[in-house]
Amino acid sequence: EAEVAQSPRYKITEKSQAVAFWCDPISGHATLYWYRQILGQGPELLVQFQDESVVDDSQLPKDRFSAERLKGVDSTLKIQPAELGDSAMYLCASSFEETQYFGPGTRLLVL
Amino acid sequence: GDSVTQMEGPVTLSEEACLTINCTYTATGYPSLFWYVQYPGEGLQLLLKATKADDKGSNKGFEATYRKETTSFHLEKGSVQVSDSAVYFCALSDLDNAGNMLTFGGGTRLMVKP
Repeated sequence: EAEVAQSPRYKITEKSQAVAFWCDPISGHATLYWYRQILGQGPELLVQFQDESVVDDSQLPKDRFSAERLKGVDSTLKIQPAELGDSAMYLCASSFEETQYFGPGTRLLVL
Repeated sequence: GDSVTQMEGPVTLSEEACLTINCTYTATGYPSLFWYVQYPGEGLQLLLKATKADDKGSNKGFEATYRKETTSFHLEKGSVQVSDSAVYFCALSDLDNAGNMLTFGGGTRLMVKP
């Protein structure tokens, strides 16, 4: 069964450093999402792509976060500089019709 | 805007007990409704879904019925197992919103004791 791949699974960094997360969606899924999940809460959308175009990035803190999906397939989410409050699980999902399928996530700890 | 409200956890049950996790929603359009499950340290897995009123989604013994009149989508299981211990998220997808984003509830932790 096809799955959404994410790497790394875990990342520990110091504040003010740069971090990057990678996501490879299920083959053929044109829509890709990045969510942030703070411990004990539900995921919140950061950015949504349709192919290589951004559909919604209204909740992305653009002063420090950036996301790209250059060829409309895999995607990278970057944080620079990281802050203590960025510690969370970062989830990637891709969708077929209206059902979203999630990857295993990247757990980020900022020290 | 759209929102989802779930009962707060943790919910602690003995094995073979009946489960109900309440979920209610507000939406401007006609949403699809989902239940996702998250096991410790993992991403979210789709458990079941319903796309229109009175639809019943079911999977692995879990079921939920889309009730438009009460704006609810409660998750039920007749006999829980220890392996069902996880966090359950109710979510909606409203096609009236640009991008078909998911709006999640806060999650309900289920703990099943042997």
